[in-house]
Amino acid sequence: DTEVTQTPKHLVMGMTNKKSLKCEQHMGHRAMYWYKQKAKKPPELMFVYSYEKLSINESVPSRFSPECPNSSLLNLHLHALQPEDSALYLCASSRGPTTDTQYFGPGTRLTVL
Amino acid sequence: ELKVEQNPLFLSMQEGKNYTIYCNYSTTSDRLYWYRQDPGKSLESLFVLLSNGAVKQEGRLMASLDTKARLSTLHITAAVHDLSATYFCAVMYRGGADGLTFGKGTHLIIQP
Repeated sequence: DTEVTQTPKHLVMGMTNKKSLKCEQHMGHRAMYWYKQKAKKPPELMFVYSYEKLSINESVPSRFSPECPNSSLLNLHLHALQPEDSALYLCASSRGPTTDTQYFGPGTRLTVL
Repeated sequence: ELKVEQNPLFLSMQEGKNYTIYCNYSTTSDRLYWYRQDPGKSLESLFVLLSNGAVKQEGRLMASLDTKARLSTLHITAAVHDLSATYFCAVMYRGGADGLTFGKGTHLIIQP
C-alpha cells in the first residue's frame, strides 16, 4: 500500500479565514513533505519533516504553519492567506529522509478569495 | 543553488514514434526521480535512479542516469496515446532529510 491521503480535496477560503489541510499515511514512513504547485508549474518544496521534526522550511511565509502531531499525520495550518496562495497543495511521504521514493497524495486544491 | 532543466518543455508526437526527454541538473547528485502527472491529478512515481549508469524500464518508458554528465533521459518507445501527460524529473536537493527540486516538466501530447 503506497497511499497518501489528503483532506479536503477542495477548499475555498477568504483572506481572513483560518483553515487546515490534513495529510495521512500508514506506510510507516518517517519523512513527510509539503509542496505547493501553481498551474502549469512544477511542485515547489515548502516544508520537510523528518522523524516528526521540522528539518526544512523553504522560506515560506508565516501564514503557513506546518504541524506533525505524530509519524502518520501532517497538517498545514492556513491563516490570512492571499489570493496568490491559490494552488494545489501536495503532501508526500518517504520511508526515509534520503534516497527513498516520495509518494504523493492527491492534493488539496486551494482557492483564496 | 540546485537547478534542474528539462527539454523539451512541450512535445507533440504521433503514436508509434520514439522520442527522448532530457533532464540536466547543476550540482552533484546521484539520486534522480521521474514522475508523471495527468491534468488535475497528483504525481505518480515512475523511476528512481540511484547510481551512475542506472537504467530502468517499465513498458514503453526507459530512464537512464549519467551522474558524470549530470544528465538523465526518459525514452519513449512506440508511443501510445495513454502516455500523454506531463513528465517531471526531480533531484534530491541536499544530503539528509531533503525534498526534491523539480524540472519545469515536459508536456507530452501523443496524437493518434
